[in-house]
Amino acid sequence: SYELTQPPSVSVSPGQTATITCSGDKLGDKYTFWYHQKPGQSPVLVIYQDNKRPSGIPERFSGSNSGNTATLTISGTQAMDEADYYCQVWDSSTVFGGGTKLTVL
Amino acid sequence: QVQLVQSGGEVKKAGASVKVSCKASGYTFTSYGITWVRQAPGQGLEWMGWISSYNGNTEYAQKLQGRVTMTTDTSTSTAYMELRSLRSDDTAVYYCARAKAAAGNFDYWGQGTLVTVSS
Repeated sequence: SYELTQPPSVSVSPGQTATITCSGDKLGDKYTFWYHQKPGQSPVLVIYQDNKRPSGIPERFSGSNSGNTATLTISGTQAMDEADYYCQVWDSSTVFGGGTKLTVL
Repeated sequence: QVQLVQSGGEVKKAGASVKVSCKASGYTFTSYGITWVRQAPGQGLEWMGWISSYNGNTEYAQKLQGRVTMTTDTSTSTAYMELRSLRSDDTAVYYCARAKAAAGNFDYWGQGTLVTVSS
């Protein structure tokens, strides 16, 4: 079965750029979606089809996908961006990455 | 505005079944499917399956085949997920989410339903 690998944790200082990666075999051939989830809350879609932002998602969130790696980039990271981030793809079934805890400190 | 409101938490014995509901509003129910995702305590997200609200077609995670059934009631814009033969590792928060297709993104989520399975 298809697997997606994310780093367990990423730390960033406020105002800096956070980069969260998601790796999988030929991932660039698939659409990748990204969600964030704050403690006790439901996930929220932040990027769809590799690099599109749903309405209401700040411009500081961007995505890219090429080769074996998809990347979520948060420019000018704010304290409110601290959350768990999950990547998702479809490969005969929906697959989620293991999640990355983003700490803003 | 789009809303998905799920039923309340459940406590079940191992071996029993649970049925979680997800009532949709704010959009044309039959234009989108519903996907179900669960999250065990302290763990990541696990996809369970998807159902088309238009024609009832389903896609289930292979791991849950035979134990899970997803249905919809278009008269009440409600989706249901039934999980049978519950085990302790089924203890999780269960989410429904709107999804245009099984392979698509999940753009609106319910608030989650905690299902606790006790032995």
